[in-house]
Amino acid sequence: DGGITQSPKYLFRKEGQNVTLSCEQNLNHDAMYWYRQDPGQGLRLIYYSQIVNDFQKGDIAEGYSVSREKKESFPLTVTSAQKNPTAFYLCASSIEGWGNQPQHFGDGTRLSIL
Amino acid sequence: GQQVMQIPQYQHVQEGEDFTTYCNSSTTLSNIQWYKQRPGGHPVFLIQLVKSGEVKKQKRLTFQFGEAKKNSSLHITATQTTDVGTYFCAVKGGTSYGKLTFGQGTILTVHP
Repeated sequence: DGGITQSPKYLFRKEGQNVTLSCEQNLNHDAMYWYRQDPGQGLRLIYYSQIVNDFQKGDIAEGYSVSREKKESFPLTVTSAQKNPTAFYLCASSIEGWGNQPQHFGDGTRLSIL
Repeated sequence: GQQVMQIPQYQHVQEGEDFTTYCNSSTTLSNIQWYKQRPGGHPVFLIQLVKSGEVKKQKRLTFQFGEAKKNSSLHITATQTTDVGTYFCAVKGGTSYGKLTFGQGTILTVHP
């Protein structure tokens, strides 16, 4: 069954700690995306990758880092530099990365500060 | 970057009433996509509009792209409780280089 898997579903971060959110897709999509969603708000783009071994900053990249070493994987690290990390994080993928195709989303990870 | 305004932010309706949400841009758009997010869920793609003046229908949902390709609307006829959720537009502008910009969404509540 094809889809996008995000893990963990819930994550807690201590002060000064880096945490990594996992995103895996078996849809053979070239492009992958990370969004942040705050309560009652839309989706804000953190990073996106149009192809393996390449990625671009989105609108709110500060305090986050990513890698795209494999086509199916696009992990997001929330660093200690991100002072307000509490949010719902959504990973998505699309067949191509030019905004002409639908994005398919994972179930998300809810990150909270301890 | 690309700006998009979606209105209203909230809409409460009685079951059976109609509902419309609007998405507006100050610049010409290449295309627009609509997504639905159920409470506690993730966004799910509904439709994409590409052509000026395009109208598409999915059962009780009607999607429209403006003639100038700067605005769009989603209309639901005779809402049902299963329609509850947040409806987002996502736009691609001329210089977005592949990024989609999401609107803030319209949260729809349907009272039985």
